Amino acid sequence: ETGVTQTPRHLVMGMTNKKSLKCEQHLGHNAMYWYKQSAKKPLELMFVYNFKEQTENNSVPSRFSPECPNSSHLFLHLHTLQPEDSALYLCASSHGRDRVEAFFGQGTRLTVV
Amino acid sequence: AQKVTQAQTEISVVEKEDVTLDCVYETRDTTYYLFWYKQPPSGELVFLIRRNSFDEQNEISGRYSWNFQKSTSSFNFTITASQVVDSAVYFCALSMDTGRRALTFGSGTRLQVQP
Repeated sequence: ETGVTQTPRHLVMGMTNKKSLKCEQHLGHNAMYWYKQSAKKPLELMFVYNFKEQTENNSVPSRFSPECPNSSHLFLHLHTLQPEDSALYLCASSHGRDRVEAFFGQGTRLTVV
Repeated sequence: AQKVTQAQTEISVVEKEDVTLDCVYETRDTTYYLFWYKQPPSGELVFLIRRNSFDEQNEISGRYSWNFQKSTSSFNFTITASQVVDSAVYFCALSMDTGRRALTFGSGTRLQVQP
């Protein structure tokens, strides 16, 4: 069983493109997260969803738009990105109550050209 | 505010050596969780351990052991008899016990185990 699956694994997009990253978890978790990992900064939390509701937006620019249609799926819609947005985007999920450890997908390596 | 510091950016050891990865944290919460994750070249963060702030017992799992010292706000990770497959970036992380459960990560320590 693959716990958290992210697609695509790699994405190259121009600054005027619109694309979406997808995350799916098969763990029955209630919380889902987007993290950004770039070369120059530690892992940064972007968004948190609990029971499909967004509970945290860590001052993320509006060119990143998350969507959580149900507890198993999480999307990150991208538009008019900048080259500095190139990074590894990691999705994670957690039970949200007693079992707090998060489980991560393999990430989407995004390059903005 | 929470903060996790991993002062060691990169460590290189020879196979079979023991290695300790340091982690120091800051939090105003009285109860919290600490974690270690491993990130191999494939990119996925692999969960290794969770420790509650009220449980200071050290833990051993095979070649891995963790030393939690609340008095010094440290949660160090030791790999005994390191192997090439241990080569990865290791992250220490912190979260609240209640409310905000999102992880605050350290900057990671890259471990290279040479054959």
